[in-house]
Amino acid sequence: DTEVTQTPKHLVMGMTNKKSLKCEQHMGHRAMYWYKQKAKKPPELMFVYSYEKLSINESVPSRFSPECPNSSLLNLHLHALQPEDSALYLCASSQHPNTEAFFGQGTRLTVV
Amino acid sequence: AQTVTQSQPEMSVQEAETVTLSCTYDTSENNYYLFWYKQPPSRQMILVIRQEAYKQQNATENRFSVNFQKAAKSFSLKISDSQLGDTAMYFCALVRGADGLTFGKGTHLIIQP
Repeated sequence: DTEVTQTPKHLVMGMTNKKSLKCEQHMGHRAMYWYKQKAKKPPELMFVYSYEKLSINESVPSRFSPECPNSSLLNLHLHALQPEDSALYLCASSQHPNTEAFFGQGTRLTVV
Repeated sequence: AQTVTQSQPEMSVQEAETVTLSCTYDTSENNYYLFWYKQPPSRQMILVIRQEAYKQQNATENRFSVNFQKAAKSFSLKISDSQLGDTAMYFCALVRGADGLTFGKGTHLIIQP
């Protein structure tokens, strides 16, 4: 099983809303990631959790808040987003931080 | 810092032809992994093939193979007998330690019937 599950698949939110993106994997992977992808661009790393600890925060604005409740779950809490935050948000996991990552289908986020 | 460069924004070939996608990279590390990912319009990023830098033998996965030239820091992907379902964005990527993946800008591959 190489499945990473993301919910929801689509999300439309206002700039004053609070929402959360969820990601789950049951492969026993110890590293999980959030990437942001704009149209026709490569994914950009936002956060890395390694063994349930935040190891990299690529200077992402504080309106994005990651959470790793356990080794299988990863959340991304969203608050007071801007229209330019509209993008595809991809979750990924890997067995260890320096091995191949498996991606979920992504959440298409639109901020209005 | 590490960088990945894909110099072909778009390529188009006929079905059943062989196509090669180019990738060069730069890293100061000796131990790292290289990958090719495919992202079809359905948007899920799919791992196509991986190469460990310490292995000299080029990786192969069915119709997909790589030409890994470590000294030249080159990592090209060859797709044989191309199929319509191969139409997608292809990203070359590098991982080193716990830094996550560094992606190239991608090559949009179109397989024509």
